[in-house]
Amino acid sequence: AQTVTQSQPEMSVQEAETVTLSCTYDTSESDYYLFWYKQPPSRQMILVIRQEAYKQQNATENRFSVNFQKAAKSFSLKISDSQLGDAAMYFCAYGNYGGSQGNLIFGKGTKLSVKP
Amino acid sequence: DGGITQSPKYLFRKEGQNVTLSCEQNLNHDAMYWYRQDPGQGLRLIYYSQIVNDFQKGDIAEGYSVSREKKESFPLTVTSAQKNPTAFYLCASTPTATNEKLFFGSGTQLSVL
Repeated sequence: AQTVTQSQPEMSVQEAETVTLSCTYDTSESDYYLFWYKQPPSRQMILVIRQEAYKQQNATENRFSVNFQKAAKSFSLKISDSQLGDAAMYFCAYGNYGGSQGNLIFGKGTKLSVKP
Repeated sequence: DGGITQSPKYLFRKEGQNVTLSCEQNLNHDAMYWYRQDPGQGLRLIYYSQIVNDFQKGDIAEGYSVSREKKESFPLTVTSAQKNPTAFYLCASTPTATNEKLFFGSGTQLSVL
């Protein structure tokens, strides 16, 4: 069975600085998706970034980028120029490619605080 | 605006009572999902449906039931058999039964009186 591990329960960053959130996963599949979701205090789940395992290029969305290391099964999220609005829970998630399972497996989350 | 609507936002259950959480989407998505979130935990899959009139159990289906009579609607019933129902429940959908991207509703907080 696939698993997702986020080893940092809490992280803190100064406004305008850069922070990296860690995620490792375990799977025997070669094709899959990886995601980072943000959950602010409103509790709405918001997709931050998505990576397809067959793509070697790391995904980027504005200030958010990932470091995808397939062999190491590592998928870290880097937030540059951190803003107060980035404060939230961040969840790493894994999804099988093809959709036969039809669901994502989530890590337990990292709570990010942003200091002004 | 297209999206997923969950209601109510807060729900209280008395012991021995069944309660139903509503989830409606107007995104024309085929697949819908119910997740449970406990404090300090990630999301865990309860049930999912890839097509109307069909659904499958997720990792923690015991004490829950669902129906999918219409494409737009995927209600979740928390039965009296669920002994620890207090949690935040999230409904989600995807255009097809793939894992390209989940669209989430705003959630329902269920508490026991």
